[in-house]
Amino acid sequence: DAGVIQSPRHEVTEMGQEVTLRCKPISGHNSLFWYRQTMMRGLELLIYFNNNVPIDDSGMPEDRFSAKMPNASFSTLKIQPSEPRDSAVYFCASSLPKTSGRYGATDTQYFGPGTRLTVL
Amino acid sequence: AQSVTQLDSQVPVFEEAPVELRCNYSSSVSVYLFWYVQYPNQGLQLLLKYLSGSTLVESINGFEAEFNKSQTSFHLRKPSVHISDTAEYFCAVSDQGNTPLVFGKGTRLSVIA
Repeated sequence: DAGVIQSPRHEVTEMGQEVTLRCKPISGHNSLFWYRQTMMRGLELLIYFNNNVPIDDSGMPEDRFSAKMPNASFSTLKIQPSEPRDSAVYFCASSLPKTSGRYGATDTQYFGPGTRLTVL
Repeated sequence: AQSVTQLDSQVPVFEEAPVELRCNYSSSVSVYLFWYVQYPNQGLQLLLKYLSGSTLVESINGFEAEFNKSQTSFHLRKPSVHISDTAEYFCAVSDQGNTPLVFGKGTRLSVIA
C-alpha cells in the first residue's frame, strides 16, 4: 500500500491567497484526521471525519478554514484567505473502522508525510 | 481536559547508551496511551500503545514503555540506542477512545556516534 498521500508537500503563498491541501487516505480506512503542527502549539487536531462525515471540527481555528471529504478516498483542507500565522506543517492521518469509543483511539493512525505551508 | 507533558524537549545520548524519554499525563478517567515517532521530513508512526492489561508494552525495535497509573506516567525506554533512533518522539493520550488523541510537544532524541 502507498500509505497516506498528501499534496502538495510544500506550499508557499502570499497572505490573502486561497490554499487547498489534499489527502488520499489508505484504502479501506474510514476515519480521517487533519492535524496542524507548529513549534509553539505542537500537534493539534483540526477536524475528524468518520465515514466521510465530520464528527469533530472543534479544532478548526476559524471560519477561514474548511474541510471536506466528498468520498472515502479524498479529503481537502482549504484556507481562505490565508494569513502568515497559518504557516505550519499540516498532516492528514487515516485509520481503520473504529472499534472503540467515538474516536476509535485503539486503532493506529497512519500519518501522511505532511504539507509544509508558508504564508508570506 | 486531558493534557500531556513531555518533560524534555531535547535528549542527546551516545550510541549504545540507555535512554528514557519522560511522559506524564493528566486525566481523571482511564486512558489509552501511545508513543509515536517522527523521522525527519516524515509523518508520525505508531511506536507502541497501552490499552489495557500488562502495564509494560514493547515495540519491535527494542523500545518499551511502562504505564504507571499512580504517577500518571508512560515513560519510554531503550537499553541501547542506535544512530537510526534519532527522531522526534511524541506521547499521546485518549480517554479510552471517547476523546481525540492529545499529543505532547515532543522530545527530540539525538543519538551521537
